[in-house]
Amino acid sequence: GESVGLHLPTLSVQEGDNSIINCAYSNSASDYFIWYKQESGKGPQFIIDIRSNMDKRQGQRVTVLLNKTVKHLSLQIAATQPGDSAVYFCAEKSGGYQKVTFGIGTKLQVIP
Amino acid sequence: DGGITQSPKYLFRKEGQNVTLSCEQNLNHDAMYWYRQDPGQGLRLIYYSQIVNDFQKGDIAEGYSVSREKKESFPLTVTSAQKNPTAFYLCASSADRANEKLFFGSGTQLSVL
Repeated sequence: GESVGLHLPTLSVQEGDNSIINCAYSNSASDYFIWYKQESGKGPQFIIDIRSNMDKRQGQRVTVLLNKTVKHLSLQIAATQPGDSAVYFCAEKSGGYQKVTFGIGTKLQVIP
Repeated sequence: DGGITQSPKYLFRKEGQNVTLSCEQNLNHDAMYWYRQDPGQGLRLIYYSQIVNDFQKGDIAEGYSVSREKKESFPLTVTSAQKNPTAFYLCASSADRANEKLFFGSGTQLSVL
């Protein structure tokens, strides 16, 4: 999502539908990418990661897709549930010891 | 249960006062980090430590100080030099110095009185 000051990009999804959260990353040298989920008032939790030698990785109900050509990362959540409501952050890291750079996040709202 | 514990959950600072945020982990992780989170922004790195008795400045270290005397502990002091300290502070750790897969605490919300 793009930075819009204090207002996070928001995605509203009907319960049971699939969600797709997008992220554009900045560094073409980044070789490791992570998605985190942050519920209100809590710290981020790791969801899934992917290395640059892959273009797709699946977890339980989640799939991460990586398109290095356009520097784009997406998180797909299948059969979205109310408990999936949170802010989702993508993060990137380049080789060696480099700090992780976080995106601003996307707020997912699940409509019951 | 293994994890990262931050305390307190809420903290208020008076003008000119230094305050210290606690972070303890029992994951036996080498690396620990402090991030600051402001509404509608990504996490920004304040300080990090890859090993005991060593730490490095992150992107926004001014007005903050840390220590790493024990592997389990990485306290953050917000000094009076930090003019805009109101934020949500997150501590994290990772198993190795490659800084992959961060484990976060539940955060401390710092507000100015």
